Amino acid sequence: KAGVTQTPRYLIKTRGQQVTLSCSPISGHRSVSWYQQTPGQGLQFLFEYFSETQRNKGNFPGRFSGRQFSNSRSEMNVSTLELGDSALYLCASSLSAREHGYTFGSGTRLTVV
Amino acid sequence: GESVGLHLPTLSVQEGDNSIINCAYSNSASDYFIWYKQESGKGPQFIIDIRSNMDKRQGQRVTVLLNKTVKHLSLQIAATQPGDSAVYFCAENFAGGTSYGKLTFGQGTILTVHP
Repeated sequence: KAGVTQTPRYLIKTRGQQVTLSCSPISGHRSVSWYQQTPGQGLQFLFEYFSETQRNKGNFPGRFSGRQFSNSRSEMNVSTLELGDSALYLCASSLSAREHGYTFGSGTRLTVV
Repeated sequence: GESVGLHLPTLSVQEGDNSIINCAYSNSASDYFIWYKQESGKGPQFIIDIRSNMDKRQGQRVTVLLNKTVKHLSLQIAATQPGDSAVYFCAENFAGGTSYGKLTFGQGTILTVHP
């Protein structure tokens, strides 16, 4: 059974650019959450999607957005990149979160220069 | 202002010892808790979970204890092995519309196992 797949694994972008990250959840999982992990702030929740609808959003600026497609794959977009956006971006999927927990992908390492 | 990096607690043990990793959670309404292990270059890996209607849950070589009175979780790893070396996170969630998909993570503990 394939796990959560995130692409690309590594990305280097310049300040002011935008970036799109992709997440393919485990087959059958309809809930996809995104997290940002930095040494300074730890793991912080960005947003959650279920059946193409955003159900929850963390405390991040509007430059951070996401979407989910009908096949449950999800993308997140960061516009007007800042140096502080450098982080590991993690995606997690769940079948029934409070019954089976959340399974994380290996993340996308974004470096903004 | 200048950001300050998290200073993670560390635990250093000898191979074969038992390890205990502690976590204080923040929300008294949280009723679902998960322990994750994160190795370098990887995403968090699910270890074990527990609901608030339980005080203890056991898995393979791991036990989670929950003390709701003082909002404290612990993860016990029996016969710790070098492969257990990683950062360990506790995470909490509560039932409710604002909690969908949202785990609130602790700062993490670095476990180092010496052969």
